[in-house]
Amino acid sequence: QKEVEQNSGPLSVPEGAIASLNCTYSDRGSQSFFWYRQYSGKSPELIMFIYSNGDKEDGRFTAQLNKASQYVSLLIRDSQPSDSATYLCAVNLGGSYIPTFGRGTSLIVHP
Amino acid sequence: NAGVTQTPKFQVLKTGQSMTLQCAQDMNHNSMYWYRQDPGMGLRLIYYSASEGTTDKGEVPNGYNVSRLNKREFSLRLESAAPSQTSVYFCASMKGNSYEQYFGPGTRLTVT
Repeated sequence: QKEVEQNSGPLSVPEGAIASLNCTYSDRGSQSFFWYRQYSGKSPELIMFIYSNGDKEDGRFTAQLNKASQYVSLLIRDSQPSDSATYLCAVNLGGSYIPTFGRGTSLIVHP
Repeated sequence: NAGVTQTPKFQVLKTGQSMTLQCAQDMNHNSMYWYRQDPGMGLRLIYYSASEGTTDKGEVPNGYNVSRLNKREFSLRLESAAPSQTSVYFCASMKGNSYEQYFGPGTRLTVT
């Protein structure tokens, strides 16, 4: 039973738009949250991580945490076709040593 | 730094055959992991090793065994391959206590 949920998509956005990806998690005690990007046929690559102490911005990427509603978001500003990939959310549920992965959301950025 | 390396990249097995997937990391990480990824199922943890000399079962360990040979190397063995083990296998290592994982390129295994 997966306890990290993501909409499988695909989420389709035009080039230059903001893409918003969401991930919900089941355990209120979770404190570590990660976003991985996976291109087709490739391995996951860590692109963002946040801890329970707040949001984080890195270039065009922003990760936001809503602890009250138990979800974490990844915003991609000025989306590019090269951002087209599957985005995996991972959470250390309840402070577990082992991260639990969601099934991923497919993002398509069309020119 | 090569990061996390895996061999082989592709493999085709017949049902009942055995094989070992190799993984090595050169980042001096203590923790290493084996996942499988199937369409629509996301990443599922097979086994992990929190440190040299220790291994533990993950979500889907049946049909697999592992060996943490030393700090760098963590192998996954299929003793008697079954078609249900057709999948993409990823090895990963973790940086310290940060929970940040770094993945190898994967092994695409087909069992006929």
